[in-house]
Amino acid sequence: EAQVTQNPRYLITVTGKKLTVTCSQNMNHEYMSWYRQDPGLGLRQIYYSMNVEVTDKGDVPEGYKVSRKEKRNFPLILESPSPNQTSLYFCASSFWRESYNEQFFGPGTRLTVL
Amino acid sequence: GIQVEQSPPDLILQEGANSTLRCNFSDSVNNLQWFHQNPWGQLINLFYIPSGTKQNGRLSATTVATERYSLLYISSSQTTDSGVYFCAVEAPFTSGTYKYIFGTGTRLKVLA
Repeated sequence: EAQVTQNPRYLITVTGKKLTVTCSQNMNHEYMSWYRQDPGLGLRQIYYSMNVEVTDKGDVPEGYKVSRKEKRNFPLILESPSPNQTSLYFCASSFWRESYNEQFFGPGTRLTVL
Repeated sequence: GIQVEQSPPDLILQEGANSTLRCNFSDSVNNLQWFHQNPWGQLINLFYIPSGTKQNGRLSATTVATERYSLLYISSSQTTDSGVYFCAVEAPFTSGTYKYIFGTGTRLKVLA
């Protein structure tokens, strides 16, 4: 089944404790992206990657890191989480073609930083 | 940057009613998608519709790219249609980045 998977789905952690949220897709998509969703602010893009070893900042990259060492994986790293990073996080992937760039989303990761 | 506005922000319907949701965008875009976020938080793809009209069961969508808007039609609404509907546009590369921008959503509640 074609899908985007994220782990963990729920996480409660404390300020300053490094964490990684994994994202994997099995559709051979070039483009992958991370979003955060907050009440009243909608979905905002954190980082995106056009392909292996190619990443760039979205609208709200501060406090986050990413890497794209393999085409299928795009982990999101919080080196020193803070309470303002409490949010619902989504990973997404798509082909990146001139005629077709439909995004597919993972199930989301609900993160609470105490 | 591109602004994406959705209307109405909130909508309450009786089961069986029809509705139209609107998405306006402030500049030319490469692509547009509609999503439904269900009460469990999952984002479900509804339509990939950079232009033209598509239909899928009780749902249909129309994008008029030259006039910078898209419409999502829901007919014979059901309680399972409840949730938040988002449109997202792909900004053109002239903005300097490859990115999608989401609207703020329309929150729909369908009453039995």
